[in-house]
Amino acid sequence: ETGVTQSPTHLIKTRGQQVTLRCSSQSGHNTVSWYQQALGQGPQFIFQYYREEENGRGNFPPRFSGLQFPNYSSELNVNALELDDSALYLCASSSHLAGGYNEQFFGPGTRLTVL
Amino acid sequence: EDKVVQSPLSLVVHEGDTVTLNCSYEVTNFRSLLWYKQEKKAPTFLFMLTSSGIEKKSGRLSSILDKKELSSILNITATQTGDSAIYLCALISGAGSYQLTFGKGTKLSVIP
Repeated sequence: ETGVTQSPTHLIKTRGQQVTLRCSSQSGHNTVSWYQQALGQGPQFIFQYYREEENGRGNFPPRFSGLQFPNYSSELNVNALELDDSALYLCASSSHLAGGYNEQFFGPGTRLTVL
Repeated sequence: EDKVVQSPLSLVVHEGDTVTLNCSYEVTNFRSLLWYKQEKKAPTFLFMLTSSGIEKKSGRLSSILDKKELSSILNITATQTGDSAIYLCALISGAGSYQLTFGKGTKLSVIP
């Protein structure tokens, strides 16, 4: 069984640029959630994708967008990068069941630095 | 807005000590409370608690939920250096997306 993988592991960008982060979900999982973890903080929910559609969104501006593909992998795109976007971006995959919750398994994250 | 507060924010103990980490919450529609351990990057799942008063146990770690007091504790007995990590408490609330609302975490350092 393959776990959750993310790429790249580290990334350095400058203000105003755009970035795409990638996540491959664990085998058998159909739901992907993205979280932003700033230094010294707990992860904050960005959004979740299920069946290629956004299924819940946290308090993040529209320049944070995402996609889920038919193989359940996912991308997080951030436009017009700001210094405060510097953080660890975590992807978590799970198996969505109607009326139930299944454990979210986290990937190793992508460390984004915005200069 | 759901809120999770963890205390203490950091803790230094000696190997063999017992520690108790606290998590309190405010939530509109409680579903579950979870504990995660974060060593380097990926948080790893420890416990999920849904019912009040029922202790979950795994080796030296245990956790219990008190829905009346809106809180949970995570106990670690006979601590080892390998327990050094950030321990995160998270809530699932409402319906639908099962998003996790995390606290800031407790950074535990176990020294020999």
